Order: sequence, then C-alpha cells, then structure tokens
Amino acid sequence: DARVTQTPRHKVTEMGQEVTMRCQPILGHNTVFWYRQTMMQGLELLAYFRNRAPLDDSGMPKDRFSAEMPDATLATLKIQPSEPRDSAVYFCASGLPIRNTEAFFGQGTRLTVV
Amino acid sequence: AQTVTQSQPEMSVQEAETVTLSCTYDTSESDYYLFWYKQPPSRQMILVIRQEAYKQQNATENRFSVNFQKAAKSFSLKISDSQLGDAAMYFCAYRKRTGKLIFGQGTTLQVKP
Repeated sequence: DARVTQTPRHKVTEMGQEVTMRCQPILGHNTVFWYRQTMMQGLELLAYFRNRAPLDDSGMPKDRFSAEMPDATLATLKIQPSEPRDSAVYFCASGLPIRNTEAFFGQGTRLTVV
Repeated sequence: AQTVTQSQPEMSVQEAETVTLSCTYDTSESDYYLFWYKQPPSRQMILVIRQEAYKQQNATENRFSVNFQKAAKSFSLKISDSQLGDAAMYFCAYRKRTGKLIFGQGTTLQVKP
C-alpha cells in the first residue's frame, strides 16, 4: 500500500528550538510539496520540488525555514529558531509531474511551539 | 499571481439533500487542472474529483459533480444525496503549467441527520 510517510506525527517544542520534519514520498514520485495548514490561511504552499530540486519556495519564510531533499526518498522541512506562530499542521505531498494527476498527502505533522 | 478563493468558510446540509460548494480562481493560463479534495477529521487529504480546463464537459464521480465555468473562472462542487460521511473540510485546488498545486482556504461542511 503506497503512501506518503511523515514523521513525527506530533511535535511539541519550546520557542527557539530547532524543528525538523521528515517526509518519505511514494516510490517513483519525483514531485514533492510542503504545505502548512492553519485555520486562518487554509493550506499554504511552502515549497515545491521536482527531481529533488526546489522549483518554488516563494511561500516559505526564508529567515527561519529551509527545505531540502537529500535524496529521492527523503524530504525535510526545518524551522530554526521556531516561534509560537509556527504552530500548525505541516503536510508533505508527492506526485508525478503529470498535471492531471493528483498529489498524495501524508498524515501531517502537528507542530506546537510553546 | 494564481489564487484560489473559497468564499464559504462553513456550509451545512440536511442528510440526503444536495449542497454546492463554491470556488473561484484567478489565472492567466489557458491550460490547467482543477481538483477538489476532502479532509475528514482524520486529517487525511482525499481526492474527490478533478477537471481539465480544456474539457468543457463537467466531471462527475458518483454523487459528486462539478460546475466548471471557465470564462467566469468558477469551479463549484455539487454533492448530491448527502451522507453523514461527507462531513469534512473541502479544498479546491488549482494546478498550473509548472505543476505547482495551489489550494483555497477550505469550506467546512456539516451534514445534519
């Protein structure tokens, strides 16, 4: 059963700490998205990768957020230092570069920064 | 800039009735794809239906159908014979030529028994 795997599912951290969220895309998918979900903003696109290269990270606060794909089986989203306003659910999704195909989502990481 | 707008934060429908969720988008592209996703309380994002902009025929998947008005840049979702399991948050999404996938703010649908 192919699925996108995100870890951790939940994370509580103190303000100022570094947070790393990980995503394993579905095998064979070469497109990866990172989204942040909040009540006020809905689903915001933070970063978009194709073949491990960032195509668009315009939605990501550059001063504290970074996203990488060290290899085709791992995508990471890092926040350093974290702030209470970063509290949200972070989703990773993967897909094929064929535009009429959907993106498949992981279960998300619920981040709480206190 | 491409944006997707869902103007109804919350909607409710009586079980077995029909409800329509609205979505509008802004784009300068002529070729693109549109999607509706469902997010139940489990948080899992599930694809409901997709529409290709070059196809004039509205997409249909069982009880779910869309009303795609390309000139008006409108893409509404109609749910017929609503069931309790349809209660969820629904997101409209636009996929542009580069593959970038942009979502609206979401509409929470309540189904009343």
